[in-house]
Amino acid sequence: DVKVTQSSRYLVKRTGEKVFLECVQDMDHENMFWYRQDPGLGLRLIYFSYDVKMKEKGDIPEGYSVSREKKERFSLILESASTNQTSMYLCASSSGITDTQYFGPGTRLTVL
Amino acid sequence: QKEVEQDPGPLSVPEGAIVSLNCTYSNSAFQYFMWYRQYSRKGPELLMYTYSSGNKEDGRFTAQVDKSSKYISLFIRDSQPSDSATYLCAMSVDQTGANNLFFGTGTRLTVIP
Repeated sequence: DVKVTQSSRYLVKRTGEKVFLECVQDMDHENMFWYRQDPGLGLRLIYFSYDVKMKEKGDIPEGYSVSREKKERFSLILESASTNQTSMYLCASSSGITDTQYFGPGTRLTVL
Repeated sequence: QKEVEQDPGPLSVPEGAIVSLNCTYSNSAFQYFMWYRQYSRKGPELLMYTYSSGNKEDGRFTAQVDKSSKYISLFIRDSQPSDSATYLCAMSVDQTGANNLFFGTGTRLTVIP
């Protein structure tokens, strides 16, 4: 059974804190993605990675960075959290763009 | 103009009804079309995947693509309360990278027993 896990379901952080969101997949997928989902805006791609140590900016990379040191793990980093980063964050992985994207359960981040 | 437009709803139907969910798009180069279902507080799961025009059926679900009208639909027959979720359409131009994947905003569906 395929699995994408995210480190936390709910997080509450203060403005200015550094935040780490972790994602792990057990399918040996090449591609991993970080999205955020906001009401009325749908899913928006933040960053993706097509290989270890490789990353590409998505549509809304500002205020975020990522790290992929191992194939199965993709981390999203908020260097200095701000209230407008309060959102649902979804991680996904796939073998290729036409293959199924498997999503994690999401992390609901609230920045106070 | 957004690349992909989807009516956010909400849409409420009685159990057993036929549901029609739709998306329109502006980029005629889109070739791959997907429907995701997302239950409350869960990540999206892929429901249907189609390439180019035509219909695809899977159980109670039918995905339809009309490239001439730039219009895609998802039909749910004999809808069940367990179908209550948000449905997102997604589409891409080709296989070269994730930046080609565009999502609608999602339609929230409630099936009333």
